[in-house]
Amino acid sequence: KAGVTQTPRYLIKTRGQQVTLSCSPISGHRSVSWYQQTPGQGLQFLFEYFSETQRNKGNFPGRFSGRQFSNSRSEMNVSTLELGDSALYLCASSQDRVLTEAFFGQGTRLTVV
Amino acid sequence: DQQVKQNSPSLSVQEGRISILNCDYTNSMFDYFLWYKKYPAEGPTFLISISSIKDKNEDGRFTVFLNKSAKHLSLHIVPSQPGDSAVYFCAASGLNNQGGKLIFGQGTELSVKP
Repeated sequence: KAGVTQTPRYLIKTRGQQVTLSCSPISGHRSVSWYQQTPGQGLQFLFEYFSETQRNKGNFPGRFSGRQFSNSRSEMNVSTLELGDSALYLCASSQDRVLTEAFFGQGTRLTVV
Repeated sequence: DQQVKQNSPSLSVQEGRISILNCDYTNSMFDYFLWYKKYPAEGPTFLISISSIKDKNEDGRFTVFLNKSAKHLSLHIVPSQPGDSAVYFCAASGLNNQGGKLIFGQGTELSVKP
């Protein structure tokens, strides 16, 4: 069974640009959540989608957005990139409406220059 | 407001001995807890979980203990192996939390020396 797949693995963008990251969950998993990991802040929750609906959102500015498609694949978008957006972005999938085990992808390393 | 705390940033253990990683939480609404292992530049790998209806869950060399009254959980690794060297995160959520949100601690870097 394939794991959670995130693309691309690495990305370099310039301040002010926008970026779209992609996540394909484990087959059969309907929940996809996104996290940002930085050295200073640790792993912080961005948002979660279940059956194409955003169920929960973390404390991030509106520049961070996401969506989920009918096949459960998810994308997150960051607009007007800032240097502080440089981080490892992680996607996790889980099977049910109620959170049990969440399985993470390898992440996308975003560098903003 | 750090709702999940791992107060030891690092831990060093001799191969074959027990590793004990600790985690404290403040939110009494948390009732599901998970431990993850993470290598640099990779996603966290799920290790073991426990719900609040249990006080212990065991999977091979890994055992998680939950003390609800103290709002404390610990991960025991016995025996420790050099391949266990990584950063370990505890995370918390609520079974009634249908928002799929995990709150992570800051992590403890475990080093197992041969």
